[in-house]
Amino acid sequence: GDSVTQMEGPVTLSEEAFLTINCTYTATGYPSLFWYVQYPGEGLQLLLKATKADDKGSNKGFEATYRKETTSFHLEKGSVQVSDSAVYFCALRDTGANSKLTFGKGITLSVRP
Amino acid sequence: DTGVSQDPRHKITKRGQNVTFRCDPISEHNRLYWYRQTLGQGPEFLTYFQNEAQLEKSRLLSDRFSAERPKGSFSTLEIQRTEQGDSAMYLCASRPDSGTGYGYTFGSGTRLTVV
Repeated sequence: GDSVTQMEGPVTLSEEAFLTINCTYTATGYPSLFWYVQYPGEGLQLLLKATKADDKGSNKGFEATYRKETTSFHLEKGSVQVSDSAVYFCALRDTGANSKLTFGKGITLSVRP
Repeated sequence: DTGVSQDPRHKITKRGQNVTFRCDPISEHNRLYWYRQTLGQGPEFLTYFQNEAQLEKSRLLSDRFSAERPKGSFSTLEIQRTEQGDSAMYLCASRPDSGTGYGYTFGSGTRLTVV
């Protein structure tokens, strides 16, 4: 079945550091890929998405490129801020009619001033 | 309509009791999903409704779990004879059948603690 693997965490960075969070997936067909963010005490929010190979999703300075050849969707940001501290989940949407999401385990990012 | 609402936000119950959670999706969203999130894990799919029809159930959904969506509006998730392993965050999400395509909206969840 479908699966999503995220790098182990947690990750602690200083403000303005470069961020990379790795995500790889296993799926049949051509899933859509997502990054969700969960701030403390809040629900999941869509951060960005990509629906086909070589698409780049971007939002709030975050970027991720759908790499079919490496089945990856790594999240990057050039300069993190304290307000980026949250839990980040990589997810895929299956190609079936029900279009449910399969999530990775998530990774906690802490950004210190 | 400000988003997906879930009630209650927190529930503490004794082992063996029954609990019921409610989800109110965005009104024009036909599709409704329930997920369970345990500590340190990502959300796991439990079940899916299109309008009032429950079209898929995960193997995670044991016989003690039942979900309904009468009239295709709000949904309820009931857990009977709760066990400590049921302690988790229960998330509801909704999305339209078409149009915005991938517009899943998640609620803030119901955190269940079984003592």
